[in-house]
Amino acid sequence: EDQVTQSPEALRLQEGESSSLNCSYTVSGLRGLFWYRQDPGKGPEFLFTLYSAGEEKEKERLKATLTKKESFLHITAPKPEDSATYLCAVQLTGGGNKLTFGTGTQLKVEL
Amino acid sequence: GAVVSQHPSRVICKSGTSVKIECRSLDFQATTMFWYRQFPKQSLMLMATSNEGSKATYEQGVEKDKFLINHASLTLSTLTVTSAHPEDSSFYICSARDPGQKDQPQHFGDGTRLSIL
Repeated sequence: EDQVTQSPEALRLQEGESSSLNCSYTVSGLRGLFWYRQDPGKGPEFLFTLYSAGEEKEKERLKATLTKKESFLHITAPKPEDSATYLCAVQLTGGGNKLTFGTGTQLKVEL
Repeated sequence: GAVVSQHPSRVICKSGTSVKIECRSLDFQATTMFWYRQFPKQSLMLMATSNEGSKATYEQGVEKDKFLINHASLTLSTLTVTSAHPEDSSFYICSARDPGQKDQPQHFGDGTRLSIL
């Protein structure tokens, strides 16, 4: 059975304290892995798409990486405005355009 | 960038009422839209895939007679929760695929908070 697991469930950081969020996946065939940010009461906001192991994408303080088993979202020197829930999702080969989401990591960055 | 508009953002109604939620793609045509349900502090669970001009495809365990989906045009899909009960209270989110953006599979609306009393 295809599974997407994110860890930790929740993470509290001090401003400037870098860390990484993990997304582990066990799927029959990966077509793409996606990272989203979700603020309370809002829909997910797209961050990155990764297609193959070794690929990296970067945007401001965020960097996403991909291996054959997992993806990391690295947050460098986070700010309070980075507080949100970060979701990863996978798109499977033969699965059309459907996304299977992980359970998310709730990040809180404090001053 | 592509925008998906969802309406209403919040609904509070009595048990037994049917509720319609609209999902519109504002600057692109979407042959496929998706409907998700999200419980507090949980992830998004796909309910169904809405296909323009044809029947929706429902995920296992989702009652198609309870959650009616109509994708009448390339920019509008609707989800109707029929005879809603308190257990149907949840956050419903739609998304749409822009065929012109291959790297971003789905654009999401801002969700509808449904509360059944």
